[in-house]
Amino acid sequence: AQKITQTQPGMFVQEKEAVTLDCTYDTSDQSYGLFWYKQPSSGEMIFLIYQGSYDEQNATEGRYSLNFQKARKSANLVISASQLGDSAMYFCAMREFQAGTALIFGKGTTLSVSS
Amino acid sequence: EPEVTQTPSHQVTQMGQEVILRCVPISNHLYFYWYRQILGQKVEFLVSFYNNEISEKSEIFDDQFSVERPDGSNFTLKIRSTKLEDSAMYFCASSEGDIQNYGYTFGSGTRLTVV
Repeated sequence: AQKITQTQPGMFVQEKEAVTLDCTYDTSDQSYGLFWYKQPSSGEMIFLIYQGSYDEQNATEGRYSLNFQKARKSANLVISASQLGDSAMYFCAMREFQAGTALIFGKGTTLSVSS
Repeated sequence: EPEVTQTPSHQVTQMGQEVILRCVPISNHLYFYWYRQILGQKVEFLVSFYNNEISEKSEIFDDQFSVERPDGSNFTLKIRSTKLEDSAMYFCASSEGDIQNYGYTFGSGTRLTVV
């Protein structure tokens, strides 16, 4: 079974609109962390936002917020007021703390922002 | 802002040759990682390294691969007898610790092409 599932291979949004990128996860570990990374066409991996399994508040970082629904095992990334520079691949990743320090990545979602 | 540096950015090698990919992690970080991303696919964990030894490795990280921290700053991935399917982007990452909310900083990657 996939540990991290990103069901949207591609998403399209217009500038200034908000967009939600879906991520569901599967773990029996009680302690885990969820990450979102952005990969522009240049290839580097840019950290966006982190949510710990025990965090009661949804994480926010500027225009990025994480809609964490623990019971549903979902950790969707919300980008408000999209910009052209947001066009990139977005990866959801998880670390299971009992398993070790490795990150497990989803297959990613390509976001295209148009003017 | 501190960064993880990877060299070279691109490497082309002939099948059967050995390659060494180099990384300089962030200086006060203690955990080091290699990940691989075959073109257009998800990022896959290869190996983690802590206290001068491998702490975890994936099924991908077989006898063809080895890692080393030859001095206080460099962290290398050696791939022996390269195969066509080793063509991928290889990312080095480092983290400050293994506690829940320590992030992972990725380098810009080395694109390896085996011909």
